[in-house]
Amino acid sequence: KQEVTQIPAALSVPEGENLVLNCSFTDSAIYNLQWFRQDPGKGLTSLLLIQSSQREQTSGRLNASLDKSSGRSTLYIAASQPGDSATYLCAAASGSARQLTFGSGTQLTVLP
Amino acid sequence: KAGVTQTPRYLIKTRGQQVTLSCSPISGHRSVSWYQQTPGQGLQFLFEYFSETQRNKGNFPGRFSGRQFSNSRSEMNVSTLELGDSALYLCASSPPDSTEAFFGQGTRLTVV
Repeated sequence: KQEVTQIPAALSVPEGENLVLNCSFTDSAIYNLQWFRQDPGKGLTSLLLIQSSQREQTSGRLNASLDKSSGRSTLYIAASQPGDSATYLCAAASGSARQLTFGSGTQLTVLP
Repeated sequence: KAGVTQTPRYLIKTRGQQVTLSCSPISGHRSVSWYQQTPGQGLQFLFEYFSETQRNKGNFPGRFSGRQFSNSRSEMNVSTLELGDSALYLCASSPPDSTEAFFGQGTRLTVV
């Protein structure tokens, strides 16, 4: 059974800092790994999708990496802004390709 | 292109009642998945439908059911509501050529 863990559970940084969010998974037989952002009381916004054959994906200030052999993914956020404050969730697609197993999230606060 | 639409956004029901939630996927998406999000358990997979057939089911009691129509719209039903069913219910759709999941804003169900 796939298990996904995210560390840290919460993170507070000053504006402008670069930061890394971590995600680990127990079953390396994944189809892909997806990073989401969730604002309070809202749905999930897809940030980046990394296919199992890829090592990283980039979108603007965001860069996500995937290391299947070690069961790890990281989300790098450059030059953080207060608008980046949200909960960040990673999800591994395994077994049925569209069944996602989610981590518990990292709550990020970027202080002005 | 419109995103995933979930209705209603908020619901208050009494214990023992039943409830039906609706999800309209992004145009062209034929896969629809449902997830339950609670503070204690996080995001958990309920079931996935593709072309009107349930392809995968999570570990939830039989009170939770769903269906998909020929236009790919999906409904989920919860019967004999319990206080513990209070949660944010999220629907996601995926395009035919990708496993990337796109989520709606969710339906907030409160059982009193």
